[in-house]
Amino acid sequence: QVHLVQSGAEVKKPGASVKVSCKTSGYSFTSIGINWLRQAPGQGLEWVAWISPSNGNTKSSQHLQDRVTLTADSSSNTAYMEVRSLTSDDTAVYFCARRGSTHGGMDVWGQGTTVTVSS
Amino acid sequence: AIQLTQSPSSLSASVGDSATITCRASQGINSALAWYQQKAGKAPILLIYYASTLESGVPTRFSGSGSGTDFTLTISSLQPEDFATYYCQHFSAYPITFGGGTRVDIK
Repeated sequence: QVHLVQSGAEVKKPGASVKVSCKTSGYSFTSIGINWLRQAPGQGLEWVAWISPSNGNTKSSQHLQDRVTLTADSSSNTAYMEVRSLTSDDTAVYFCARRGSTHGGMDVWGQGTTVTVSS
Repeated sequence: AIQLTQSPSSLSASVGDSATITCRASQGINSALAWYQQKAGKAPILLIYYASTLESGVPTRFSGSGSGTDFTLTISSLQPEDFATYYCQHFSAYPITFGGGTRVDIK
């Protein structure tokens, strides 16, 4: 089966950075893109960015593109998202999700990583 | 960016009832729409993609329809495990966006 397993919860101070990992298994890592999303407490889903692990191409939301960096390590089948200059507005559960192989939906999700930004 | 407007934002229904959720796009997206179910504290689950294609393993009481700007998710006979929040998402172009969500709870 396909699995996406994310790194554990993080607590950061304002202005710090956080890097979340998403280890994949059960499929060809470089064949399908990975999306990153977040969900603030009590709020809806927000798309953050996408990476193609095969060539490193990325797309990001305009809201976050200056503070987000996506990378993908094909030797460990792991995708990473780094968010810099954190503020309290970045407090959220962050998800990685695999893009569908034949469509742009997201067919397999990680379990989520809670990032709390607090002084 | 394409905006997706879901309605209603919440609905109350009984087990066995039918429930219908709509999603309207701010511009035409052909059939590039997906629907998800999310329960509290869990990651979303893909239900439908390309507006009407049921994801493998999803019960057939879930169905989707629409194209262009207007889409519908229908749950034909609500089961206890269906009480959750539902989101639509377009994949017509970047940036990807989601609807605001519809909470379905027990009457």
